[in-house]
Amino acid sequence: DAKTTQPPSMDCAEGRAANLPCNHSTISGNEYVYWYRQIHSQGPQYIIHGLKNNETNEMASLIITEDRKSSTLILPHATLRDTAVYYCIVKGDSWGKLQFGAGTQVVVTP
Amino acid sequence: SQTIHQWPATLVQPVGSPLSLECTVEGTSNPNLYWYRQAAGRGLQLLFYSIGIDQISSEVPQNLSASRPQDRQFILSSKKLLLSDSGFYLCAWSGIGNDLGQGGAYEQYFGPGTRLTVT
Repeated sequence: DAKTTQPPSMDCAEGRAANLPCNHSTISGNEYVYWYRQIHSQGPQYIIHGLKNNETNEMASLIITEDRKSSTLILPHATLRDTAVYYCIVKGDSWGKLQFGAGTQVVVTP
Repeated sequence: SQTIHQWPATLVQPVGSPLSLECTVEGTSNPNLYWYRQAAGRGLQLLFYSIGIDQISSEVPQNLSASRPQDRQFILSSKKLLLSDSGFYLCAWSGIGNDLGQGGAYEQYFGPGTRLTVT
């Protein structure tokens, strides 16, 4: 599975959009981009995933570049409860383990 | 809807004592099941995964073992705990059972975790 690179931390003001970047330049054609987040002392929470097209759900939007070498997770209106570590993971289409990296620590401030 | 349970929520055990952590999933059949560990300030490490009853694969050599006696039950055990076994243990499930390599995306859903302190 392809490796991902994320900034270690970022701050966001409450009510503003949070744009979390992820680089995955070695991604292959059958690999999906997944985003999870982990709020302190809780288990990770699935957010969204995509293959080629942009995706949106009730939690976030996922924008994948045309060459698929990078993506951005967008939290449209960040709240204090969005403070968490966000993980970008690239995974092939076979079942199996998720490789969690260090992620991005997002702190939403009032 | 599907739910995943883990217990106990917290546990303090002396070095050399045995361990048994339990995970159960409701609302789905034939899930893939996973045990992860997260040491303090570190990332998640996959310990075991299972595609079916009595089918367990180990990712990291250690003094832990896992068993899956029933379809939706996953147990993490140790005969003698080490100080290095301290951490946050997470169970997870995913929706694709034995359809290996069938393609498509899947998501993993995590339980609330067990915080283990070995003293």
